[in-house]
Amino acid sequence: GQQLNQSPQSMFIQEGEDVSMNCTSSSIFNTWLWYKQDPGEGPVLLIALYKAGELTSNGRLTAQFGITRKDSFLNISASIPSDVGIYFCAGQRGAQKLVFGQGTRLTINP
Amino acid sequence: GAVVSQHPSWVICKSGTSVKIECRSLDFQATTMFWYRQFPKQSLMLMATSNEGSKATYEQGVEKDKFLINHASLTLSTLTVTSAHPEDSSFYICSARSPGRTGTTYGYTFGSGTRLTVV
Repeated sequence: GQQLNQSPQSMFIQEGEDVSMNCTSSSIFNTWLWYKQDPGEGPVLLIALYKAGELTSNGRLTAQFGITRKDSFLNISASIPSDVGIYFCAGQRGAQKLVFGQGTRLTINP
Repeated sequence: GAVVSQHPSWVICKSGTSVKIECRSLDFQATTMFWYRQFPKQSLMLMATSNEGSKATYEQGVEKDKFLINHASLTLSTLTVTSAHPEDSSFYICSARSPGRTGTTYGYTFGSGTRLTVV
């Protein structure tokens, strides 16, 4: 099925560094969601974005809903070991099903 | 906040047997639930949309007779993998559509997943 283009696919960083990942689509979405998945667990919602241009923070995490409604980015500042995991973006139009990105696997070297 | 409980968290079954996975919304009513399948190092693949009181809607390529979905109440949806085979081994995750930030938005809360191994 349709997927969003999420990049990068993987990141290897040092603890304390900032992280940036993004998702793009050829179609417009009304809602952008960012999830984190730990091994053997289901995804957990990090940030939800509902309006074009919206910039929302959740602790060290900041996400923005692109003005064209076709993209979104997630930034993590001052990474810590517990940030390790897979991050997924998801887009939605109205009440339709979610469309997921391929995921960004984050690895942090202490 | 919205909580979704999925059970069991892992199961091992013999080839040819059936396995039932439960997905419950604990503190909200979910008229719509979703079932996903996830292979290692891959994204979530939607299998079907489960609607309370009606038949589930399956995605293209998903065998509805093999993956039986029942959404008999506003808080419970079940996925039964019938006549399981080793290739059905995967991580199955449910999600429930929960009340969102406003009356016109929805939240999607995921269960913790079920690791199915068919031997």
